[in-house]
Amino acid sequence: AQSVTQLDSQVPVFEEAPVELRCNYSSSVSVYLFWYVQYPNQGLQLLLKYLSGSTLVESINGFEAEFNKSQTSFHLRKPSVHISDTAEYFCAVSGSSGSARQLTFGSGTQLTVLP
Amino acid sequence: EAGVAQSPRYKIIEKRQSVAFWCNPISGHATLYWYQQILGQGPKLLIQFQNNGVVDDSQLPKDRFSAERLKGVDSTLKIQPAKLEDSAVYLCASRRGRGPYEQYFGPGTRLTVT
Repeated sequence: AQSVTQLDSQVPVFEEAPVELRCNYSSSVSVYLFWYVQYPNQGLQLLLKYLSGSTLVESINGFEAEFNKSQTSFHLRKPSVHISDTAEYFCAVSGSSGSARQLTFGSGTQLTVLP
Repeated sequence: EAGVAQSPRYKIIEKRQSVAFWCNPISGHATLYWYQQILGQGPKLLIQFQNNGVVDDSQLPKDRFSAERLKGVDSTLKIQPAKLEDSAVYLCASRRGRGPYEQYFGPGTRLTVT
């Protein structure tokens, strides 16, 4: 079984400041890791994913996350946030095979970018 | 490419009533999921279909929840009778195949049970 812990339920940050949203996971098998973003009254959208290879993955809108196997973490970072980044962010993990392949989500982090 | 469609978007019912939600996945996506998202929590998987067969329904409260995916395309999730604790957003997602492909989510149905 997998589990995901998002340590911060709310992160307020000023516009153009850097941000880090923390995610730790536990799993007994090899994992795939994901960050999803949810804007108000919308479904979840995939922001970025780690499947294999380079441990640093990037999204098209400036977010990046680094897979750290020894620390079982997949923190999300952005060097300079915009008002439009205000949303809820969910970290998710799935096993790489069989029944463990289903997504397990964390409880979410509400990022609020202040002017 | 059209996204995952869900209806209705909002539903308010009284406890002990029944309700049904509909999902139309992305064309060609064999795998379909229903999630329950309670306010302040991440989505929790209720049931997974592969074509029209159930892969996993271990977290579906089967005494009151049921789901079907006839013909391996559209799916319906039903709650009968509803309880107050069923108030949540019900998300449908679909995925292309069995590999580590992205899940695409619909906008969800917000259910309020009074």
